[in-house]
Amino acid sequence: NAGVTQTPKFQVLKTGQSMTLQCAQDMNHNSMYWYRQDPGMGLRLIYYSASEGTTDKGEVPNGYNVSRLNKREFSLRLESAAPSQTSVYFCASRGAGSDTEAFFGQGTRLTVV
Amino acid sequence: GENVEQHPSTLSVQEGDSAVIKCTYSDSASNYFPWYKQELGKGPQLIIDIRSNVGEKKDQRIAVTLNKTAKHFSLHITETQPEDSAVYFCAAITGGFKTIFGAGTRLFVKA
Repeated sequence: NAGVTQTPKFQVLKTGQSMTLQCAQDMNHNSMYWYRQDPGMGLRLIYYSASEGTTDKGEVPNGYNVSRLNKREFSLRLESAAPSQTSVYFCASRGAGSDTEAFFGQGTRLTVV
Repeated sequence: GENVEQHPSTLSVQEGDSAVIKCTYSDSASNYFPWYKQELGKGPQLIIDIRSNVGEKKDQRIAVTLNKTAKHFSLHITETQPEDSAVYFCAAITGGFKTIFGAGTRLFVKA
């Protein structure tokens, strides 16, 4: 009954360091998403993957890359972290159809110093 | 690009009162409008949704209305309880994949 699992839950990086946020879902969903959440700005879409093998940019893709490793896993990579990337990151997945709910992970709180 | 505006950003009500949160979307092709509740330290969870061919939907104390002509949709919570305190997000989905969220409303229910 795991749903969407994100790792790590917390991370502190120095400016310029790189890291990968991992996300896995066990609901056999086709589409997966990465959002960042900042105070007063809601959830902003970074990248999404409509199906295995495809990825597309969202509203705020600069500074990030993604990989849809297989149907279950969708990772987000920061190549050279900047303080502006300090945020809470959420992964989500949705099943087939245009009117299905998104299931979210617990979030990763990232601080870049 | 597409956007969703949500108001108010903060809402404080007395226990037992009603709370209303309003959203406006820009993309007339949007066809699915979910509402999410986010409690502290957790990811958002769906509480109710409405599809573009429906004007109103109710689930116990929660209801959502949609006005496609005006591109407005609203969340109504009646008989609020302290456990309703959370951040609420509206969203609009276009083309089946892209979900655009509002900025969120922090609801405080005072006992």
